[in-house]
Amino acid sequence: LAKTTQPISMDSYEGQEVNITCSHNNIATNDYITWYQQFPSQGPRFIIQGYKTKVTNEVASLFIPADRKSSTLSLPRVSLSDTAVYYCLVGDNTGGFKTIFGAGTRLFVKA
Amino acid sequence: SAVISQKPSRDICQRGTSLTIQCQVDSQVTMMFWYRQQPGQSLTLIATANQGSEATYESGFVIDKFPISRPNLTFSTLTVSNMSPEDSSIYLCSVPYGGLGYTFGSGTRLTVV
Repeated sequence: LAKTTQPISMDSYEGQEVNITCSHNNIATNDYITWYQQFPSQGPRFIIQGYKTKVTNEVASLFIPADRKSSTLSLPRVSLSDTAVYYCLVGDNTGGFKTIFGAGTRLFVKA
Repeated sequence: SAVISQKPSRDICQRGTSLTIQCQVDSQVTMMFWYRQQPGQSLTLIATANQGSEATYESGFVIDKFPISRPNLTFSTLTVSNMSPEDSSIYLCSVPYGGLGYTFGSGTRLTVV
């Protein structure tokens, strides 16, 4: 399982775009990159998943360079409710393999 | 996505006792995973539970302390045995989410006094 490295914490203000970068130098050919969001007293929630280039959904965008050794989660125009911990995970997406969480990034959005 | 019902949501237990946590999934899944999340920390995988076979435990976790049952493809239990204050954590179950990562239960907040 590829190890991931993220910033421990980030601060932002409402309305700004937030970019959280994750390093995964040992990513395997079959691995996907998945980001989760976790609020206090809740389980992690799937945000977005990608394999290469760019993926966008209604919540976020995920940018993956050609070498796939890193990825960037982009949250457009954050609000106070986006204050949470964000986890980057790398692994097979078939559901047949365990998922190992790194430390995550604590995002604080200020008014 | 699969919907997981996890019970209880929280409990306060005396040291030396045991607590069984249940996870019910609204669809059949081959694998279920149990995690522990200590205060302010990330999630740590305890074990992988397959239906019809013994659970596979991660380093640092043993079956005598965290016995797991998986009687069918929609249900699993995790028991925290002979509890001590160090077992105070949030315990979560998760299942695969159709090729898009994993769905998690809402967690069980356990306090051991």
